[in-house]
Amino acid sequence: EDKVVQSPLSLVVHEGDTVTLNCSYEVTNFRSLLWYKQEKKAPTFLFMLTSSGIEKKSGRLSSILDKKELFSILNITATQTGDSAIYLCAVQETSGSRLTFGEGTQLTVNP
Amino acid sequence: SAVISQKPSRDICQRGTSLTIQCQVDSQVTMMFWYRQQPGQSLTLIATANQGSEATYESGFVIDKFPISRPNLTFSTLTVSNLSPEDSSIYLCSVERGVPYNEQFFGPGTRLTVL
Repeated sequence: EDKVVQSPLSLVVHEGDTVTLNCSYEVTNFRSLLWYKQEKKAPTFLFMLTSSGIEKKSGRLSSILDKKELFSILNITATQTGDSAIYLCAVQETSGSRLTFGEGTQLTVNP
Repeated sequence: SAVISQKPSRDICQRGTSLTIQCQVDSQVTMMFWYRQQPGQSLTLIATANQGSEATYESGFVIDKFPISRPNLTFSTLTVSNLSPEDSSIYLCSVERGVPYNEQFFGPGTRLTVL
């Protein structure tokens, strides 16, 4: 059974700090790893990672995948209060499209 | 990305009744999914909604409790039947789009409270 573990489960920082969120996984036939931001109900797509060592960036957010060590990190630099959310990591197998999610990291950015 | 709408946005239902949730996508997609997020927990896949055939359910979810329709490539419904307080959750539909690796995008969700 696929398994996704995120750490930390919660994190409180001050505006301007840089944070690193971790996601480790166990999956039989890995296809991709996805990061989402969930503020209210709907998870918002951030990144999809399929290859090791290739950093994906979007503004202050970046993410990278290590398929050998089976983990990914999500970095947020110069955090803002609007970054406060739950960040979800999910993995997808080659056999299908189902996503297996981790528990999420609750990030709180204080002014 | 994809523009996905869900109705209703939220509802409060009585025990023993049923709720049908609609999911509409702005263009045709092959893969549509239904997820559940119970309070304080992460997302769990309920089923894959297949166009023209029966939905594919994940372990622990059955058709009698969660009947799904997929009449065309832009629309699906999920019914949560015989409601109990344990069904209080956020229900989300998602679609897969993108080539060659398909990204999944989520609808706005339906927050269900069962009294």
